This record gives sequence, C-alpha cells and structure tokens, in this order.
Amino acid sequence: GQQLNQSPQSMFIQEGEDVSMNCTSSSIFNTWLWYKQDPGEGPVLLIALYKAGELTSNGRLTAQFGITRKDSFLNISASIPSDVGIYFCAGQGGGSEKLVFGKGTKLTVNP
Amino acid sequence: NAGVTQTPKFRVLKTGQSMTLLCAQDMNHEYMYWYRQDPGMGLRLIHYSVGEGTTAKGEVPDGYNVSRLKKQNFLLGLESAAPSQTSVYFCASRAGSPLHFGNGTRLTVT
Repeated sequence: GQQLNQSPQSMFIQEGEDVSMNCTSSSIFNTWLWYKQDPGEGPVLLIALYKAGELTSNGRLTAQFGITRKDSFLNISASIPSDVGIYFCAGQGGGSEKLVFGKGTKLTVNP
Repeated sequence: NAGVTQTPKFRVLKTGQSMTLLCAQDMNHEYMYWYRQDPGMGLRLIHYSVGEGTTAKGEVPDGYNVSRLKKQNFLLGLESAAPSQTSVYFCASRAGSPLHFGNGTRLTVT
C-alpha cells in the first residue's frame, strides 16, 4: 500500500529557532495535509494543500505541495514553547476515500 | 457544535473481554474513520465508512468490527480483546478533504 516517509522523527530546538520537516511518498497525491497533535488530544489540521507547487501560510507556519506531487514540507518560523507536539503529514490520492499518514515528527522546544 | 465526540475516554479491559467504542459527529459528514495510534507507528486505519450503512476495511482491521447504522454514529467493536489492542483509538470524519478528529479513547488490555 501507499506509504509516507516523514522526517525527522524528532527534533529538539531552542525557542526562536526555525523548524523544517518533510514527507515523501512513492505515490502521487492530490492533497497534502499537515496536522498537529497536542498531548492527550486528537490531531488538529494546520494547513491543507490541494495543488502541486502550492505554498500556503498559516501564521508562522508555511507548507508547500511539491511539484512532483510526491512530497511536501512544513516550516515553522521563530518557534515558541506552545509549538511542542507531534506533527503529522497526510496525503490523499485521487479518488481514494483514505488518507495515508506519516509516522509523525515529535517537536520539543526548549525555552 | 461539538464536532467529533468519542466515548469513553479511557477503558481498561481484561484479555478476552468485549467492548464497543462510540463515535458521534454532528457535522453531517458522510465519511467516518477509526484509527489506532501506537508509539512510533503514527496513525493506522482500522476501518472506515463512506456513508450510512457502509463499512470497509482499512490497514489493520483484524480483531475489530464496525457498524454505521446511523449517519452520525460509527461504532468500533472488540469482540475478544487482546493485549496487542492496547492503544489510543481516534475517530475522524469528513465531508471534503480535511479529517476532523475526536480526542481519542485510551484503551488498555491486561
């Protein structure tokens, strides 16, 4: 089946630093989504991407849908302690009812 | 508007016991999903439904059954719980693309 490779698995950074994480796939996707999960809660949508090459921002977060449609990245600028959590990418192929999730990037921000 | 609500939030079962997890959504979404989340494994799809009265297998369906008798509810059943089913279970629903998740059910099987 389809698989997503998400990296890095974990990151330990200082407050104020920028963060970058990415996902790659062996399959083409029509939609890329980025979610954040806080401890004890369900994932919450951060950014949705629907077109190859699309670059979308949400506050300090920026995500891009790769031109090949097989990858996406998420950047967080000027990190703050509340950015701590697990970030998941997810992809959806054309005509599929299912989303495929990456294994997550666990972000720790040291004040 | 509560979104996606999961009950119970926590449960401890003994091996061999059965239970049902309930997911309810008030957004009139057609699609509903059950995932399990284990450390280092991300979210894995158990079963899903594309509409009332329909169900389909996901990536890890063994040991689970589901039912979607009403559009707003999606039930996940464990007939004979095993320790390997210790996990956090998330329900999600959608109309278009983004999934909306519940806050999870933490299940421990001893």
